[in-house]
Amino acid sequence: AQSVAQPEDQVNVAEGNPLTVKCTYSVSGNPYLFWYVQYPNRGLQFLLKYITGDNLVKGSYGFEAEFNKSQTSFHLKKPSALVSDSALYFCAVRDGFKAAGNKLTFGGGTRVLVKP
Amino acid sequence: GAVVSQHPSRVICKSGTSVKIECRSLDFQATTMFWYRQFPKKSLMLMATSNEGSKATYEQGVEKDKFLINHASLTLSTLTVTSAHPEDSSFYICSRAGTSGTSEQFFGPGTRLTVL
Repeated sequence: AQSVAQPEDQVNVAEGNPLTVKCTYSVSGNPYLFWYVQYPNRGLQFLLKYITGDNLVKGSYGFEAEFNKSQTSFHLKKPSALVSDSALYFCAVRDGFKAAGNKLTFGGGTRVLVKP
Repeated sequence: GAVVSQHPSRVICKSGTSVKIECRSLDFQATTMFWYRQFPKKSLMLMATSNEGSKATYEQGVEKDKFLINHASLTLSTLTVTSAHPEDSSFYICSRAGTSGTSEQFFGPGTRLTVL
């Protein structure tokens, strides 16, 4: 079984300050980890993924995430948040030992509110 | 541009009627697509995995006779909500599997279903 936990329902940050959205995971095989962002009444947009290699992954819109195997974490970060980053963020995991058609498991989501 | 489309984007129907939602893969022949349901301010719940040319695989607790999935071609999967009731009102999102074992899923823009 695989699972994802996003411990914060909401994160508030002032524009220009660093943004961190936390994610921890559990998977039996190799973790394939993903971050998606969702704007109101829209589908999910892919931000970045960790498959293998460097633990620090850079993605779209200035976001990055750090894979930490010992802490089973994959926290999303942005050095300087923008008001336009306000959205719902989802962390997801898939078992890398399985085929591409294998399902993702999502965390509960974290709402980010960036105030001017 | 978008690689997965959904139609309609929103639909309102009367209780007891059936509603069909289409999900198209625009850039890739997808043998596997996924259907999710999202409640307000909640995470995505995987409903079923849609397999081209074979029966869909439903998640535990999802009524397959109520949520009919047809994946008749490599670019089209449909979800039909049969005899819809107000409790079926939700945001339905489809996705297609990645093109390789390390690829992310690509999501459609979602369909807002309101059952009166």
